Amino acid sequence: EVQLLESGGGLVQPGGSLRLSCAASGFTFSSYAMTWVRQAPGKGLEWVSAISSGGGSTYYADSVKGRFTISRDNSKNTLFLQLNSLRAEDTAVYYCAKDKGAAGANWFDPWGQGTLVTVSS
Amino acid sequence: EIVMTQSPATLSVSPGERATLSCRASQSVSSSLAWYQQKPGQAPRLLIYGASTRATGIPARFSGSGSGTEFTLTISSLQSEDFAVYYCQQYNNWPRTFGQGTKVGIK
Repeated sequence: EVQLLESGGGLVQPGGSLRLSCAASGFTFSSYAMTWVRQAPGKGLEWVSAISSGGGSTYYADSVKGRFTISRDNSKNTLFLQLNSLRAEDTAVYYCAKDKGAAGANWFDPWGQGTLVTVSS
Repeated sequence: EIVMTQSPATLSVSPGERATLSCRASQSVSSSLAWYQQKPGQAPRLLIYGASTRATGIPARFSGSGSGTEFTLTISSLQSEDFAVYYCQQYNNWPRTFGQGTKVGIK
């Protein structure tokens, strides 16, 4: 069974940093692209970032470009999202999700349960 | 960026009735369109990919259609467990984009 478990969320002050992790199991992690999607409280889904299976290609939403960095450690079956220069509008549940293929050109299935990031002073 | 627009925002349906949800893309996304279901406090779940292919384990009462810029998700006979928010998402272009969601509630 494919499982994705996010961690690393919490309360951080504006301008601060956090590193989110997503531990994957139940599939060959190194063969699949991965993505992060966030959801602000009471709002819809917003795609944040994606990374190809080998890590050589990365993609970002304009709203996070230059502040967030996606990466992965295929030896540890773990996906990361480094969040810097955080703003109040970054407050959201952050989900990691598995892409159907290696290049990140597909749909997302399954999703983890999410980790909450709250940016507030 | 491709803007995905879903309608209606809210849909009230009686159990056993048919529900039809629409999703429009601001430019063609071919058939690179997925639908997700999200219940309160849960992560989204994939329902449909490729505009019309049901994901593994998804009941046959869910069907998707369309291509280009106009897409439809149909739930043929609503069950109690189908009351949720539904999102469409395009994966034809970067950045990936979602619609704002359609909430299907009990009438």
